[in-house]
Amino acid sequence: GQNIDQPTEMTATEGAIVQINCTYQTSGFNGLFWYQQHAGEAPTFLSYNVLDGLEEKGRFSSFLSRSKGYSYLLLKELQMKDSASYLCASSGGYQKVTFGIGTKLQVIP
Amino acid sequence: DVKVTQSSRYLVKRTGEKVFLECVQDMDHENMFWYRQDPGLGLRLIYFSYDVKMKEKGDIPEGYSVSREKKERFSLILESASTNQTSMYLCASSPTGGGSNQPQHFGDGTRLSIL
Repeated sequence: GQNIDQPTEMTATEGAIVQINCTYQTSGFNGLFWYQQHAGEAPTFLSYNVLDGLEEKGRFSSFLSRSKGYSYLLLKELQMKDSASYLCASSGGYQKVTFGIGTKLQVIP
Repeated sequence: DVKVTQSSRYLVKRTGEKVFLECVQDMDHENMFWYRQDPGLGLRLIYFSYDVKMKEKGDIPEGYSVSREKKERFSLILESASTNQTSMYLCASSPTGGGSNQPQHFGDGTRLSIL
C-alpha cells in the first residue's frame, strides 16, 4: 500500500529558511517527488530523489533517506512568491505515483 | 516546454449528464493521467494510460471511464454525473524511460461543478 504524511500548513518569514518534512510508506519504492502548486494553478515539478542524500537546486534542496522512509524539502532565502502548496509524492511500481495532501506554506514579511 | 492542455477551465453540468473532459499533450509522452484534487484529500489518481488504447485503474475509478484513441489525447468520461464528482480535475503526462519514473507535467485543471 501507499501512505504519505506531511504537515498541512506552515508559516515562515521572508528571507528565512524553512524545511517541509514528508514521511512515506510505499511498497516497491522507486523515488520521491516534490511539486509546487500555487493557488488555482497546476502543480509544477521541483525535484526527484532516487538515492539517499541531499540534492541542491538553487534556493531549493531535497533530501531522501530510503531506510527511514523520510524526505524533506528545504527552501532558503524565502521570497513572498514561495507562498504555495508543496506536494510530496512517492513513486512505487510502474508509473504509480501517490501524492500527499500537500503543505500550504505562507511566507510573511 | 511541455504543453498539457485541458479543454475547459470551468464547467457546470447537471446531475445525470454524461460529461467529457478532454486533455491533449504535445510532447509525444507515452503516459497520461487523470486526477481529481479535493481540499484535505490531495491529488487522487482516477485512471492512467501508458499507451494508446491501454488504461489502468487508479485509486478512485468508480463512476469514471477513460478513452485513449490517439497518443496525444486522453479523455475522462463521467458516465452519469453526480454531485460528489464536483471537484478540480487535473490531467498530466510523462515520458517513459530512464529506468525510473519521470516527472509528470500537469494541465491547468478543469473546475467541474455538478448541480
